Amino acid sequence: GAGVSQSPRYKVAKRGQDVALRCDPISGHVSLFWYQQALGQGPEFLTYFQNEAQLDKSGLPSDRFFAERPEGSVSTLKIQRTQQEDSAVYLCASSLPGGDQYFGAGTRLSVL
Amino acid sequence: GDSVTQMEGPVTLSEEAFLTINCTYTATGYPSLFWYVQYPGEGLQLLLKATKADDKGSNKGFEATYRKETTSFHLEKGSVQVSDSAVYFCAPNSGGYNKLIFGAGTRLAVHP
Repeated sequence: GAGVSQSPRYKVAKRGQDVALRCDPISGHVSLFWYQQALGQGPEFLTYFQNEAQLDKSGLPSDRFFAERPEGSVSTLKIQRTQQEDSAVYLCASSLPGGDQYFGAGTRLSVL
Repeated sequence: GDSVTQMEGPVTLSEEAFLTINCTYTATGYPSLFWYVQYPGEGLQLLLKATKADDKGSNKGFEATYRKETTSFHLEKGSVQVSDSAVYFCAPNSGGYNKLIFGAGTRLAVHP
């Protein structure tokens, strides 16, 4: 595709609800990153995939957060039992190995 | 751990003024350094980068020089425009797969 696509752009969830955020990377990009950007802050690393392998999940804030990329292309970030502190913009980026990261527009999650 | 310190914003300038946004970092190893820009309502875009000491990255009139001795990567532009109004993020990469470590961002507002 032309760029990294994320959906939905906006998600409102009630506290305790599960949500799933989708990332469609640039075709051919084997590396995929998820970042969390709180209001007024810089993005913070959550997790990294190389193809379908999740090589680093050290940034996931709790075991309620789970990410997958089963076929090495589209990735889903799932948050279970959402809490208010999960409200943020979730950014996905993809790259060639060692290459520049290209970001999607993000999903803004609001937990009420 | 690796970290980035950016000058606090907002930075407010008149059109055609000179811009400097300071950035210093701490990192293990020898990172590449990046400036990303986030225009209102849009995703992060790579503005410029430098991959080794004394390299100068440049794009759209912006420049930044990799200063290893002072661990700095200050962003400069000789004459800003209203269209440069955005949030600017400094980021070294980290680790074998190049995850980005972002600063808090500096908001720039340029007035006619």
